[in-house]
Amino acid sequence: QLVLTQSPSASASLGASVKLTCTLSSGHSSYAVAWHQQRPEKGPRYLMKLNSDGSHSKGDGIPDRFSGSSSGAERYLTISSLQSEDEADYYCQTWGTGIWVFGGGTKLTVL
Amino acid sequence: EVQLVESGGGLVQPGGSLRLSCAASGFTFSSYEMNWVRQAPGKGLEWVSYISSSGSTIFYADSVKGRFTISRDNAKNSLYLQMNSLRAEDTAVYYCARDAYAFDYWGQGTLVTVSS
Repeated sequence: QLVLTQSPSASASLGASVKLTCTLSSGHSSYAVAWHQQRPEKGPRYLMKLNSDGSHSKGDGIPDRFSGSSSGAERYLTISSLQSEDEADYYCQTWGTGIWVFGGGTKLTVL
Repeated sequence: EVQLVESGGGLVQPGGSLRLSCAASGFTFSSYEMNWVRQAPGKGLEWVSYISSSGSTIFYADSVKGRFTISRDNAKNSLYLQMNSLRAEDTAVYYCARDAYAFDYWGQGTLVTVSS
């Protein structure tokens, strides 16, 4: 079964970096994921598509502060130089034949 | 500029029906696969349905299969979701999303509330 697991919450200080993790279920470690940001009371915003080899392609206008990396079944989103506007929910997403799956989301608090 | 604008949400009684629309602009709509995604109040994102660029291939989440119907009109640059036999658990903000091997553009959403 295709499942994505995310920690419910994370926090980091203004100006610092944070690394969010998305874990693919067993047998799906080769899958690509997409990362999306959802600010309070807003619709989701596509950040990037992240492949199993760590290569990624970002959406229009996404700052260089956002980057992605991969290791095995783990897919990471790193945000550097944290700003207050980065406080949001972050969702990873993957897909198979006839199925699209989201992780439960990580709520990022910028201290 | 790519824009997706949903409409058609509202309050409906359990067992009722509603038709959502998504108006697309700023790109060649007929070239892209499209999806509906929903988000219940205070919850995460849940994929609902997919339609290929031509409309020939369609998939649904098990939670809506047999009750919801996705369609598109490429001449009108529009995506639709016909929702029948609505239940309280269908209450959510419904988003349309463009699919380019990832959901790369999203609308702002339309709220559907199922309640008596």
